[in-house]
Amino acid sequence: EDQVTQSPEALRLQEGESSSLNCSYTVSGLRGLFWYRQDPGKGPEFLFTLYSAGEEKEKERLKATLTKKESFLHITAPKPEDSATYLCAVQTGFQKLVFGTGTRLLVSP
Amino acid sequence: NAGVTQTPKFQVLKTGQSMTLQCAQDMNHEYMSWYRQDPGMGLRLIHYSVGAGITDQGEVPNGYNVSRSTTEDFPLRLLSAAPSQTSVYFCASSYSRTGDTPLHFGNGTRLTVT
Repeated sequence: EDQVTQSPEALRLQEGESSSLNCSYTVSGLRGLFWYRQDPGKGPEFLFTLYSAGEEKEKERLKATLTKKESFLHITAPKPEDSATYLCAVQTGFQKLVFGTGTRLLVSP
Repeated sequence: NAGVTQTPKFQVLKTGQSMTLQCAQDMNHEYMSWYRQDPGMGLRLIHYSVGAGITDQGEVPNGYNVSRSTTEDFPLRLLSAAPSQTSVYFCASSYSRTGDTPLHFGNGTRLTVT
């Protein structure tokens, strides 16, 4: 059975304190890995897609990386506006997308 | 360009009532889908469509119906609401029919069934 596990469940950081979120997966075949950001009361918003091990993508303070078994979302010098839930999703086949349960990030000033 | 629009934002139903959750997108996306989000669980696919007139079941389809008469609209019908259907429902669309392009989500409908 395809599984996507995100850790930690929740993370509290001070402004400027860099850290990483983890998304590990056990799937039959990886067609793509997606990162989304979700603010309270809103729908998920797309951040990155990674397709193969070794690939990296960056956007402002966020950097996503991918290995054969996991992906990391690195947050460098976070700001309070980076507070959100970050979701990871793995596409394993045609129209088959498995979501993790997310990491709730809180960045305090 | 509004993206994906869902209505209503909130809804309370009694057990056994029926209702339709509305979803519309203005991006001319072929692929549209419905997910539910429950505490402690990842988003789960209810139904999806790869074009007008074409729908298929996802992971948790029981108790829900969909239809796709136009590219823009993809309503989700609850036939006879049950407390287990209390959840937040998200509609999402994407450019690719195969699902390997990013999803664009609406802001959700929070449904409570009493």
